[in-house]
Amino acid sequence: HSALTQPPSASGSPGQSVTISCTGTSSDVGGYNYVSWYQQHPGKAPKLMIYEVTKRPSGVPDRFSGSKSGNTASLTVSGLQAEDEADYYCSSYAGSNNYVFGTGTQVSVL
Amino acid sequence: QVQLVESGGGVVQPGRSLRLSCAASGFTFSNYAIHWVRQAPGKGLEWVTIISYDGNIKYYADSVKGRFTISRDNSKNTLYVQMNGLRTEDTAVYYCARDVAGGAYDIWGQGTMVTVSS
Repeated sequence: HSALTQPPSASGSPGQSVTISCTGTSSDVGGYNYVSWYQQHPGKAPKLMIYEVTKRPSGVPDRFSGSKSGNTASLTVSGLQAEDEADYYCSSYAGSNNYVFGTGTQVSVL
Repeated sequence: QVQLVESGGGVVQPGRSLRLSCAASGFTFSNYAIHWVRQAPGKGLEWVTIISYDGNIKYYADSVKGRFTISRDNSKNTLYVQMNGLRTEDTAVYYCARDVAGGAYDIWGQGTMVTVSS
């Protein structure tokens, strides 16, 4: 299974919004509502930010939201803050008991 | 608190074996499927393998199929992965992660580094 496609980088000023795309196929992103998003700071383990396309785990700010249209999922971070600067990865169930991650997006807060 | 702690990483020569462990605490380990996910230096995340809550179902990424074996001991709250025939491309930080819903990992360990080099 090929990795899901994400833009290498994204940026925004504090208070602005940034949206990251995650493009797959009908066999993964488009076929299941099992898309998750992770935030990873340098040298740290990933942190779950969104699961099942739109759900936020307890403790994750509502500035983070997820959506999906066809084979593309998106993560939007509203009201950007300095601590949002990190790498973000999407992931999806890919059928036949396989799972796939995205290529990762480095978010910079200008 | 709820946590996963990996151990067993190190430097190993190509073709050799290594076993990683992942100790769980703070939750009912036997209720959850657990995955191994790895990250090569400077690279993205890669799913490796999953084991069901009871250990009866196991699946592997094509890149490790036939070489890695996942297992768990629910009486010890511990997950394992036996890695045989290691290759240089297996060099990575290995994380264990709890599956909360369809491949969503809500709890991660701190990771253990495996370096395959001659």
